[in-house]
Amino acid sequence: DTGVSQDPRHKITKRGQNVTFRCDPISEHNRLYWYRQTLGQGPEFLTYFQNEAQLEKSRLLSDRFSAERPKGSFSTLEIQRTEQGDSAMYLCASSPLARYEKLFFGSGTQLSVL
Amino acid sequence: GQQLNQSPQSMFIQEGEDVSMNCTSSSIFNTWLWYKQDPGEGPVLLIALYKAGELTSNGRLTAQFGITRKDSFLNISASIPSDVGIYFCAGAPWGQLTFGSGTQLTVLP
Repeated sequence: DTGVSQDPRHKITKRGQNVTFRCDPISEHNRLYWYRQTLGQGPEFLTYFQNEAQLEKSRLLSDRFSAERPKGSFSTLEIQRTEQGDSAMYLCASSPLARYEKLFFGSGTQLSVL
Repeated sequence: GQQLNQSPQSMFIQEGEDVSMNCTSSSIFNTWLWYKQDPGEGPVLLIALYKAGELTSNGRLTAQFGITRKDSFLNISASIPSDVGIYFCAGAPWGQLTFGSGTQLTVLP
């Protein structure tokens, strides 16, 4: 039984560079979510997919952010032209369709923008 | 958007003591969940609540969905060192979860 897997665990980049994160959800889960968490705060919703369709995006998700889930399995989150304010933990979660609010999180990708 | 107020922000307790924390919302929620997060890890689901008044236990943890549907409580009985971490409430009227800002729990030996 594998949980939600995220790669890489840590990413250090220079301002202006592009970064891409990967998430592999629990295999039988239809929904996949991306959240962002900064120090001392709870996770904040960014976007979610049901199968391969991206159904909602938060106002937090600027044009520099793009997420894909091409075959309804794994997902990628790309940040273009990174800024220091993008430094955060990026969390992926998945949930089953029957209990879609019951999110199971991965260990996250910690991004540091220098 | 929904606002969740979680209290207390932090707690220092002696091992063996009981702990209580709560969460209030500005909106009515249909679902309340409680998560625990260890440093450098993602949140782990502890308890999910789906009906007003519902009381659910998971080992030493007990959570309740408030009657007004605007609050929830989490109790931990007989705390142990591994209970250390940040506890988050999360809820939704429907759809995406909104998270509280967390309660940092420290258990002293």
